[in-house]
Amino acid sequence: EAGVAQSPRYKIIEKRQSVAFWCNPISGHATLYWYQQILGQGPKLLIQFQNNGVVDDSQLPKDRFSAERLKGVDSTLKIQPAKLEDSAVYLCASSRHNTEAFFGQGTRLTVV
Amino acid sequence: AQKITQTQPGMFVQEKEAVTLDCTYDTSDQSYGLFWYKQPSSGEMIFLIYQGSYDEQNATEGRYSLNFQKARKSANLVISASQLGDSAMYFCAMREVGSGGYQKVTFGTGTKLQVIP
Repeated sequence: EAGVAQSPRYKIIEKRQSVAFWCNPISGHATLYWYQQILGQGPKLLIQFQNNGVVDDSQLPKDRFSAERLKGVDSTLKIQPAKLEDSAVYLCASSRHNTEAFFGQGTRLTVV
Repeated sequence: AQKITQTQPGMFVQEKEAVTLDCTYDTSDQSYGLFWYKQPSSGEMIFLIYQGSYDEQNATEGRYSLNFQKARKSANLVISASQLGDSAMYFCAMREVGSGGYQKVTFGTGTKLQVIP
């Protein structure tokens, strides 16, 4: 079965610009996660969807970050405006209900 | 308080030897699970092994085994017969079930394993 697809793989933007990341989860996986992984740290959950509803966005900086999952399949994560400290790898993962999560290859964002 | 603690920032192991990566956790839930993931330099997170809190036997997957000590709240990963391709970051993660019945997965800070030829 196809894995979690993410694009782009790499993105370089200037601070105060906006950026969007796309994720296509594994078919049939109801749960979708967006994680932020800063260099040298473990992944930090930004937002979690169950189908197309948000179940956890407690660590999402809502003044600049937004995410949606239309029709309970694909998801986009947007940052507007970006700050230098947003430089990180953004990982998308998906799982069936309450099972192990499978991750995409991530998007490496550099904000200059 | 940290939910997942990995106290070893880096570890070295000789090729073909076994290595243990430490993980301790903190939860008040009765039902929870522990995962281990591998992250090579390419960046993707690869699922290795899972242990549920009610599982009586330690989980094993090929060369990976999980030394689960519930009373000590530890879930150490043991890699037997290390290979050069095992060099990577290893993350311990814990699954708890939130009030809405969904799982919440929290990751540790990781251990960088380097296998020496």
